[in-house]
Amino acid sequence: EPEVTQTPSHQVTQMGQEVILRCVPISNHLYFYWYRQILGQKVEFLVSFYNNEISEKSEIFDDQFSVERPDGSNFTLKIRSTKLEDSAMYFCASTWMVETQYFGPGTRLLVL
Amino acid sequence: AQKITQTQPGMFVQEKEAVTLDCTYDTSDQSYGLFWYKQPSSGEMIFLIYQGSYDEQNATEGRYSLNFQKARKSANLVISASQLGDSAMYFCAMREGNSGYSTLTFGKGTMLLVSP
Repeated sequence: EPEVTQTPSHQVTQMGQEVILRCVPISNHLYFYWYRQILGQKVEFLVSFYNNEISEKSEIFDDQFSVERPDGSNFTLKIRSTKLEDSAMYFCASTWMVETQYFGPGTRLLVL
Repeated sequence: AQKITQTQPGMFVQEKEAVTLDCTYDTSDQSYGLFWYKQPSSGEMIFLIYQGSYDEQNATEGRYSLNFQKARKSANLVISASQLGDSAMYFCAMREGNSGYSTLTFGKGTMLLVSP
């Protein structure tokens, strides 16, 4: 069964460094998302992406965040200058219909 | 106001019993969808079941069913015949509107523990 994949599974970085989180959505899906979950808290929406552009973003998704679909298969989230409070699990999700969103296994980011 | 409310921080159930996890929602949209996800200790988010606002019948997927009461704005998850592997965090989520890129809003979750 097709699934969303994410790399790396874990990332440790120093405050102020740039990180790129990678996702490969399910191949026939059209809509892509990034969510994050701070430890012990609920999942929060960051950004949605459709037709090669951002369709919606939350207030969390400020100028230090960016997304890209560079080659038609990968979908990346870049955090330019990480802060301690960016430590969280980051989930990529994709869908082609409204009845579900399939989540990847997540990247656990730790900013020191 | 919270869009998704899960009032049970934790629930305990014995193996083979049924359990209901509560979820209430708040929206003014006529078209919306309700989702349940399971998050085991390993961290991944596993899609369980979906209910559309216009669906007349309650959704079912194997041992999972969604008790949808539109007038009460509730979308409770019923797990029948609980198994030890059902121990996990369970999140209720809502999609407002009918667009594919509509985002999901999650509740705070309910931790379910299944005992032998």
